[in-house]
Amino acid sequence: EVHLVESGGGLVKPGGSLRLSCAASGFTFSDYNMNWVRQAPGKGLEWVSSISSTRSYIYNADSVRGRFTISRDNAKNSLYLQMNSLRTEDTAVYYCARDAYDILTGFHYYYMDVWGKGTAVTVSS
Amino acid sequence: AIQLTQSPSSLSASVGARVTITCRASQSISSALAWYQQKPGKAPKLLIYEASSLETGVPSRFSGSGSGTDFTLTISSLQPEDFATYYCQQFNSYPLTFGGGTKVELK
Repeated sequence: EVHLVESGGGLVKPGGSLRLSCAASGFTFSDYNMNWVRQAPGKGLEWVSSISSTRSYIYNADSVRGRFTISRDNAKNSLYLQMNSLRTEDTAVYYCARDAYDILTGFHYYYMDVWGKGTAVTVSS
Repeated sequence: AIQLTQSPSSLSASVGARVTITCRASQSISSALAWYQQKPGKAPKLLIYEASSLETGVPSRFSGSGSGTDFTLTISSLQPEDFATYYCQQFNSYPLTFGGGTKVELK
């Protein structure tokens, strides 16, 4: 069964750092593009960052550019989000999500077909 | 960035009702639109992709339509398990963007 499990969330002071991890299982992780999406308390979904299967491209939302870094280790079936210079507005549940991929054609899609349960990040003094 | 405007932001409906949610893009996105369902405290779940394709395992009472800038998610006969918040997402270009959500509540 396909699973994504996030970890690393917690309470951090403004200006602090945190590293989120996402452990993937049940599929060939190295075939898939991956994303981080967040949701502030009581708010909607906000895309944060994407990384391609081979790390050849990375995209970031303007709100986190220069502060957050997405990375992956295909040998460890893991996705990461290094978050620096955290702000109170970064408080959210952070979800790891897999982009859809057609195994037969090798075509990548940019909508998210599998999501983890999320990890909560609270930025507060 | 492409903006997605969902309407209504919330609605009340009874079990068995037909429900329609609209998502409008600020520029043409062809059919690069997905719909997700999210229940409180849970992760989003993919329902529809490419504007009208039903994700495997999703009940056939869910359907999507539209192209260009105007899209619709329809639930043909609302079931108790369908009370949730629904989001559209465009994947035509980065930055990926979501609509503001539509909360479907029990009338």
